[in-house]
Amino acid sequence: KQEVTQIPAALSVPEGENLVLNCSFTDSAIYNLQWFRQDPGKGLTSLLLIQSSQREQTSGRLNASLDKSSGRSTLYIAASQPGDSATYLCAVHGSSNTGKLIFGQGTTLQVKP
Amino acid sequence: DVKVTQSSRYLVKRTGEKVFLECVQDMDHENMFWYRQDPGLGLRLIYFSYDVKMKEKGDIPEGYSVSREKKERFSLILESASTNQTSMYLCASSLRGGFNEQYFGPGTRLTVT
Repeated sequence: KQEVTQIPAALSVPEGENLVLNCSFTDSAIYNLQWFRQDPGKGLTSLLLIQSSQREQTSGRLNASLDKSSGRSTLYIAASQPGDSATYLCAVHGSSNTGKLIFGQGTTLQVKP
Repeated sequence: DVKVTQSSRYLVKRTGEKVFLECVQDMDHENMFWYRQDPGLGLRLIYFSYDVKMKEKGDIPEGYSVSREKKERFSLILESASTNQTSMYLCASSLRGGFNEQYFGPGTRLTVT
């Protein structure tokens, strides 16, 4: 059974710092991995989708990498800003063709001005 | 722009009431999903649909049913609401196939008293 873990559960950094959020999964047979952002009490905003054949994806100050063999993905945020404060969730598409996403518990990021 | 809307942001219902949560997407997506999100348990899939009038159970379908009469609309029904169904409900959609990017709505915070 696929399990997705995000460590740490919470992170606090000063503004301007570069940071890395971690996501690990137990079954390397994934089709893709998606990173989301969630603001308190709100829905999920899709940040990046990495296909299983890709090693990384970039969008602005965000860069996500995928290493299937080790069961890991990282989300790199450059030059963090207070507006980046949110919960970041990773989710994997498993081997069944159902579209079902399996989510990690998320990392809550606070960027202090 | 991708748009998934949910009928209510906040909803308060009484135990035993029949509750309807509506989700509409304007992206002509074939797949639609209902998740619930609870502290400590993360996001869990309730039901999904890959076509009009088609539905599949997710991980926690008990106490819920769904309806998809039109491609753009996916309804979640709580036949007889109970206090343990107090939660944040999130709707999502994606293109046909199991591995496409999912887009989420803003969520409905349901409280059952």
